[in-house]
Amino acid sequence: DAEITQSPRHKITETGRQVTLACHQTWNHNNMFWYRQDLGHGLRLIHYSYGVQDTNKGEVSDGYSVSRSNTEDLPLTLESAASSQTSVYFCASSEGQSGAAEQYFGPGTRLTVT
Amino acid sequence: AQTVTQSQPEMSVQEAETVTLSCTYDTSESNYYLFWYKQPPSRQMILVIRQEAYKQQNATENRFSVNFQKAAKSFSLKISDSQLGDTAMYFCAFKAAGNKLTFGGGTRVLVKP
Repeated sequence: DAEITQSPRHKITETGRQVTLACHQTWNHNNMFWYRQDLGHGLRLIHYSYGVQDTNKGEVSDGYSVSRSNTEDLPLTLESAASSQTSVYFCASSEGQSGAAEQYFGPGTRLTVT
Repeated sequence: AQTVTQSQPEMSVQEAETVTLSCTYDTSESNYYLFWYKQPPSRQMILVIRQEAYKQQNATENRFSVNFQKAAKSFSLKISDSQLGDTAMYFCAFKAAGNKLTFGGGTRVLVKP
């Protein structure tokens, strides 16, 4: 069965370190998204991609970067981790341009920056 | 930019009873989609129901139904015959052009036996 996976599921890192969170989907979806979830804010969009070599900034992109070298993967990099980036991170994917298309979410990565 | 507001941080309901979650949104778009997602303690995001703005008929999925009031920009979720497995966070979400979702802050629902 097709799926979307994230790794690691939990990560603790120190302030100032570079961290990369992996997202891999086997749906062959063109669209991929990264969100962060904080208490009281729901999920907020960090970056998104509509295809290989395409990346776009979302609502809360400062301090994060992504690259899309193939259809299956969209890794999220925190260039210099800050305590404000302690959060739960979700990756999602969807197919096509239809607004009705469902976004499928990964299981999430809980990141703690100490 | 679109905004989505869920004004009820927490709600509790007795098993087998009905609970209604409210959601309002603000947009200048004419064509858009609205969603309710469920997030149980496992953290997995699960799509519950979706509504297309150009459809006047309210969407229904088994025990879940919505009341979509386009003029009022309101999109409430009704859970009928509540079950213990319905205990979760529920998020209202909006999508217009570009496939990007904008989420509300969530409502925690506790179903009591």
